[in-house]
Amino acid sequence: AQTVTQSQPEMSVQEAETVTLSCTYDTSESDYYLFWYKQPPSRQMILVIRQEAYKQQNATENRFSVNFQKAAKSFSLKISDSQLGDAAMYFCAYMGGSEKLVFGKGMKLTVNP
Amino acid sequence: DVKVTQSSRYLVKRTGEKVFLECVQDMDHENMFWYRQDPGLGLRLIYFSYDVKMKEKGDIPEGYSVSREKKERFSLILESASTNQTSMYLCASRRTSGYYNEQFFGPGTRLTVL
Repeated sequence: AQTVTQSQPEMSVQEAETVTLSCTYDTSESDYYLFWYKQPPSRQMILVIRQEAYKQQNATENRFSVNFQKAAKSFSLKISDSQLGDAAMYFCAYMGGSEKLVFGKGMKLTVNP
Repeated sequence: DVKVTQSSRYLVKRTGEKVFLECVQDMDHENMFWYRQDPGLGLRLIYFSYDVKMKEKGDIPEGYSVSREKKERFSLILESASTNQTSMYLCASRRTSGYYNEQFFGPGTRLTVL
């Protein structure tokens, strides 16, 4: 079975600084997708960014980018120019052939003004 | 925009009660999901449905059942609520099967069972 590990339960960053959230996963599949979801306090979970395993190029969405290391099974999220609105729970997730999302335990990001 | 709504944001029930959690999506999505979210455990899949009247067990189906009589509505049922079912319940929908299709989440229902 696939597993997703987010080893850091909490992190903090100063506004305007850069922070990297780590995620590792375990799978024997070769074709899969990886996702980062954001859950702001008392608000709905939304998709931040996704990465297709067969693409070597790292995905980027504005201030959010990933560092995808397929051989190491690592999928970290970098948030540049952190804003107060980035404060949230962040979940790393995996989707393989079952087409069901497998989530990590989540990480709480605090942004300090 | 896709909208996924859940019938209640907060719900308090007593042990042994039958509890219905409702989820409605307005974008004609085929797939719908129920997750349970607990601190330190992330999201765990309870049940999902690929289409109307179809359902499949997820990772933690024990103590739950589901119903999908209409495409837009997916109900989670706790036949006899227990205190260990106190949790946040999230519903999600997806246009259809396929890696690229994003899941859209509802706001969640925080259920407390006393």
